[in-house]
Amino acid sequence: SAVISQKPSRDICQRGTSLTIQCQVDSQVTMMFWYRQQPGQSLTLIATANQGSEATYESGFVIDKFPISRPNLTFSTLTVSNMSPEDSSIYLCAGQNPGELFFGEGSRLTVL
Amino acid sequence: KNEVEQSPQNLTAQEGEFITINCSYSVGISALHWLQQHPGGGIVSLFMLSSGKKKHGRLIATINIQEKHSSLHITASHPRDSAVYICAVPRSYSGGGADGLTFGKGTHLIIQP
Repeated sequence: SAVISQKPSRDICQRGTSLTIQCQVDSQVTMMFWYRQQPGQSLTLIATANQGSEATYESGFVIDKFPISRPNLTFSTLTVSNMSPEDSSIYLCAGQNPGELFFGEGSRLTVL
Repeated sequence: KNEVEQSPQNLTAQEGEFITINCSYSVGISALHWLQQHPGGGIVSLFMLSSGKKKHGRLIATINIQEKHSSLHITASHPRDSAVYICAVPRSYSGGGADGLTFGKGTHLIIQP
């Protein structure tokens, strides 16, 4: 199974700042996704990261707040912009190939 | 859009007990995933199954496509099995997972020595 290195693993951020999370996969991946897990909740899809084009966002998530890049088949970034305490969550990237699903270790963000 | 229900939400058992976690979903699927999440937040894929039964060590996953139901069993449970177990299915039948997954809320399992 492919391995995703995600960083940072955790961070404490000030309100109004932005943070970029990176995911590097050790092999090419067909699909990449970004999920958010708020405290005590299940994972919610933020967007599908499309290689070489704009991400596909789910209802309730917008590009200005969560810009995503995927320049190639092994790397993606998610930026959480203009953070507020409500953005305190675990953010996870996930990769899917046919018959295979794998996750990054997650980035636990706390916004003060 | 698929909806996922998991039960129980919390389960505490003694070491050695047989554990069953259940998952029901609303829309026909191509495959269902069982995942394990440890306290640090990282998620590991345990099983991906589309029919019948799969076994890996002390873990067994079964699925009944007609009833839209899956179970995860742990035999001879051990404290290191303590984690959150999550069921996930494709968000839509036609998407087949290409449009992401819908996740259950998870079952928080604690195995006491």
